Amino acid sequence: DAGVTQSPTHLIKTRGQQVTLRCSPKSGHDTVSWYQQALGQGPQFIFQYYEEEERQRGNFPDRFSGHQFPNYSSELNVNALLLGDSALYLCASSDAGGTDTGELFFGEGSRLTVL
Amino acid sequence: QKEVEQNSGPLSVPEGAIASLNCTYSDRGSQSFFWYRQYSGKSPELIMSIYSNGDKEDGRFTAQLNKASQYVSLLIRDSQPSDSATYLCAVNQGSNFGNEKLTFGTGTRLTIIP
Repeated sequence: DAGVTQSPTHLIKTRGQQVTLRCSPKSGHDTVSWYQQALGQGPQFIFQYYEEEERQRGNFPDRFSGHQFPNYSSELNVNALLLGDSALYLCASSDAGGTDTGELFFGEGSRLTVL
Repeated sequence: QKEVEQNSGPLSVPEGAIASLNCTYSDRGSQSFFWYRQYSGKSPELIMSIYSNGDKEDGRFTAQLNKASQYVSLLIRDSQPSDSATYLCAVNQGSNFGNEKLTFGTGTRLTIIP
């Protein structure tokens, strides 16, 4: 049973560039959430996708956008990169119809460095 | 006031002893509470979930929840060097769907001393 997979694992960009990160949820999961984890901090909620729509959004600017595909996989796009966007980007999946509310399963993350 | 607060540590505990990790949260409407373990450079791994007041035990781990005091704790018995990691407390403020988003604390770094 494949867990949550993310790509790429590491990437380096320069300020002003754009980046796309990808995520495939755990088998049987239909909901994908994205989190940003800066060094020494806990993960911060960016947004969540369910049924190909953004269901809820955290306190992140519009430069952060996303998409969910019919097969439940998801992309996170960040435009006009800033140095402060350097972080570990975590994708987490869950089952909206699951009985254990709120249990998220995380992928290994994509570490973004902005120079 | 931060929504979820944890002592950042580091917390050092001798091997075989009990490690006690604490977390407080600000939103009284919070429904679900989680402890994640994160090894350096790795992603968070769910180790315990708790939804109602009291204790929940799973092997060497016990989660404790007191909603009146807005307090969650994690006890690790017979601590092992492999327990050395950062422990993240997470709170789900909940809604009809039940898994809207988790708010995480900054984590407590635990070191088990052999």
